[in-house]
Formats: sequence, C-alpha cells, structure tokens
Amino acid sequence: QLQLQESGPGLVKPSETLSLTCTVSGGSIRSSGYYWDWIRQPPGKGLEWIGSMSYSGSTYYNPPLSSRVTISVDTSKSQFSLELSSVTAADTAVYYCARRESYRPTVYWGQGTLVTVSS
Amino acid sequence: DIQMTQSPSSLSASVGDRVTITCRASQGISNYLAWFQQKPGKAPKSLIYAASSLQSGVPSKFSAGGSGTDFTLTISSLQPEDFATYYCQQYNSYPLTFGGGTKVEIK
Repeated sequence: QLQLQESGPGLVKPSETLSLTCTVSGGSIRSSGYYWDWIRQPPGKGLEWIGSMSYSGSTYYNPPLSSRVTISVDTSKSQFSLELSSVTAADTAVYYCARRESYRPTVYWGQGTLVTVSS
Repeated sequence: DIQMTQSPSSLSASVGDRVTITCRASQGISNYLAWFQQKPGKAPKSLIYAASSLQSGVPSKFSAGGSGTDFTLTISSLQPEDFATYYCQQYNSYPLTFGGGTKVEIK
C-alpha cells in the first residue's frame, strides 16, 4: 500500500522559505504515469492545489504561486519536495503531498502537516 | 483558470436523508471531475472519479453524475459517518481547481 509522509518545520518566519519533504513508501517514485502533487488548506478553509511534478520531471504550478514555488524530486531517497519562498501569514496552512495517475484525480494523500508563518 | 462553484456551501440533514450537492465548472471539463470527502483533521478521501465512477471501496450509497459543466453528488441515505465536508475538483486542465466545499451537518 502506497504511503506518503510530509516532514519539515512547523513554524517559518515571514519572508523566509518554507521547505517540506514528502517521503514515498510502498511504491516507486519513478513509476511512469504518476504525478506527485502538493496541495494546501488554510485553517478552516478549502483546498488549494500548489503544483505537480510528473514522472518525467515536468513541473506544473498554480499561477498565483508560480513565482515562489519549486517542486523537485530526489529519486535516490524516494522523496519529493516543496519550496515556497517569501512566505507571509497567508501561507499558513496544512500542506499535503499526494499522488495521482494520468487523467485521474488524487487518490493517495499524506496525513498533512501544519505550517505556521509567524515571527 | 477553471472556477468550480459548489452549492450549497453547507446543509443540515438527518440520518437517513437523501442529499444532493452540485458543482458547476466555469467552462466545460468533459467528465474530468472528482469528489472528495474530508473529515476534521484528516486528509481528503477520494470518492468519485470521472464524474460518476466510484473509487474502490466506496459504498454504493454515493452516486454522482454530470458532464461538461454541471455535476452532482448524491448520498442516498445519510449515516453518521457521512457528516463531513465534500469537495469537487476538476482535473481537466492546469491549474487543478477545487470547489469551495459543502459541509454536511447533522440536523
């Protein structure tokens, strides 16, 4: 059974860079046909797609965030990562990593990790 | 970007009720529509893909339909475990977008 686990600091200062890692187990991060996603949810609010990396290494970012977001993969560690620069309080959210197949919605989600932006 | 509009934003219902949630896309998305259920403190759970197909393990009390711009999710007989927030999502094109959510509460 595929499992995803987010890790990273729970508190980030304004203007700094938020960095999270998702560790994948129970399946290969190199498998073709899959997309590795980051999705976030501010407290008490709805879901927002941040971006995706395809199995071939292509990246897709949500335009409002695209100037601040980088998604990368480390296949040797079976991990993919999110960096979000110049954070503000508006970036406070639960961040989820997830996997979906081509032409399918997300099925596998991490448990989520709360990141608070505060000085 | 494709905007997804869900209605209602919340509803109160009793155990045993049949409820329907609607989702409208700002432009046609064929059948690239998913429904998720989210309970407090938990990650969303995929219920429906391709507008009307049940994910493996999802009970048949959930049904869904639609194509193009208008979609529905129906729960045939609400049970206590169904009280949650439901989201639609289009995956026809980037950026992937979610509806604002429908909170189903106990009356």
